[in-house]
Amino acid sequence: AQKVTQAQTEISVVEKEDVTLDCVYETRDTTYYLFWYKQPPSGELVFLIRRNSFDEQNEISGRYSWNFQKSTSSFNFTITASQVVDSAVYFCALSEWGGANNLFFGTGTRLTVIP
Amino acid sequence: EAQVTQNPRYLITVTGKKLTVTCSQNMNHEYMSWYRQDPGLGLRQIYYSMNVEVTDKGDVPEGYKVSRKEKRNFPLILESPSPNQTSLYFCASSIGTGTRTQYFGPGTRLLVL
Repeated sequence: AQKVTQAQTEISVVEKEDVTLDCVYETRDTTYYLFWYKQPPSGELVFLIRRNSFDEQNEISGRYSWNFQKSTSSFNFTITASQVVDSAVYFCALSEWGGANNLFFGTGTRLTVIP
Repeated sequence: EAQVTQNPRYLITVTGKKLTVTCSQNMNHEYMSWYRQDPGLGLRQIYYSMNVEVTDKGDVPEGYKVSRKEKRNFPLILESPSPNQTSLYFCASSIGTGTRTQYFGPGTRLLVL
């Protein structure tokens, strides 16, 4: 069965600090996809990144970076030099290849960046 | 602008009064789905559709119905809403199956009294 765990329910940081959001997943499939979505206070869900299971290269996009480690079943998300606009709930999600494209979400991490 | 739209955005209703939440996408996506978001539970899939006239249950389908008569529309129907269906609902779409990225609508906040 598939499962996504985001153990950090809430995190607060002071602006300009770096912060890492943890995501640990479980799946029996050898091929799968991992996602991060951002939900700002306005409520919409914004797609941030998708990674597949056969590509373990870390990715950087501006202040955002993602660390994918199959050995520990983790897909962590780091925000460098956090800003107030980064305050949001962040969801990690898993989708298995060959399934019906269903996304299995973690319970989310609420990040508050204090000015 | 490529987008997924939902209506209404906010809805207050009473137990047992049938309601429909509409979802429409203008990206010619084959795959559409509905999720509900509840505190402490994240998002859970209700129903999905891989193409016109093809729908299937997700993880929490009880109390809901869907239909997919046109590619662009995927309405969510609550025949007899109950208070435990009070939630934030999201519609999503993607190009196809094969784990394409899903893009979400703005959400519909439903309160059932």
